Amino acid sequence: DAKTTQPPSMDCAEGRAANLPCNHSTISGNEYVYWYRQIHSQGPQYIIHGLKNNETNEMASLIITEDRKSSTLILPHATLRDTAVYYCIVRSFSGGYNKLIFGAGTRLAVHP
Amino acid sequence: GAVVSQHPSWVICKSGTSVKIECRSLDFQATTMFWYRQFPKQSLMLMATSNEGSKATYEQGVEKDKFLINHASLTLSTLTVTSAHPEDSSFYICSDMGMGAPTDTQYFGPGTRLTVL
Repeated sequence: DAKTTQPPSMDCAEGRAANLPCNHSTISGNEYVYWYRQIHSQGPQYIIHGLKNNETNEMASLIITEDRKSSTLILPHATLRDTAVYYCIVRSFSGGYNKLIFGAGTRLAVHP
Repeated sequence: GAVVSQHPSWVICKSGTSVKIECRSLDFQATTMFWYRQFPKQSLMLMATSNEGSKATYEQGVEKDKFLINHASLTLSTLTVTSAHPEDSSFYICSDMGMGAPTDTQYFGPGTRLTVL
């Protein structure tokens, strides 16, 4: 699976948009980009995923560049409860099942 | 999203004893379940993948005789830490996936914190 690179930490003011970048320059054509987050001492929570097109759901938006080498997760109005570690993961489909391999992620701190 | 439960949420045991952790998929049938381990201030590490009715596949460096995984039904997988030692103290998290379609999303349980004294 392709590796991802994320900044180790970011800050965001409450109510502002949080834009979390992810580089995945070695991504291949059948690989999806997934985002999860982990709030302290809890299991990871699924946020969103995409292949080529931008995606939006009730939690966030995912913007994937045209060459698919990078993406940005956008939390449109960050709240204190969005403070968490955010993981960008590239996931391939081969061998029947598809493992999620976690990197170090980005620690997002939302402050008042 | 899908609901995954784990039991117990935390456990303390003496060194040398075995501990069983249950992972249940509550609202869909999970053909595949994954077990992860997370040490403090570190990311999640995949330990093994289990498919219902067959033997688990372990990641490199994970001792299959120490971490016994059973996936006897489509809604239940168990991880047994045998002869636990203090270095096995960790946060154990399971996750499940549906029928293996390309767009299946993997959902995670709340985790089990194991402390071995």
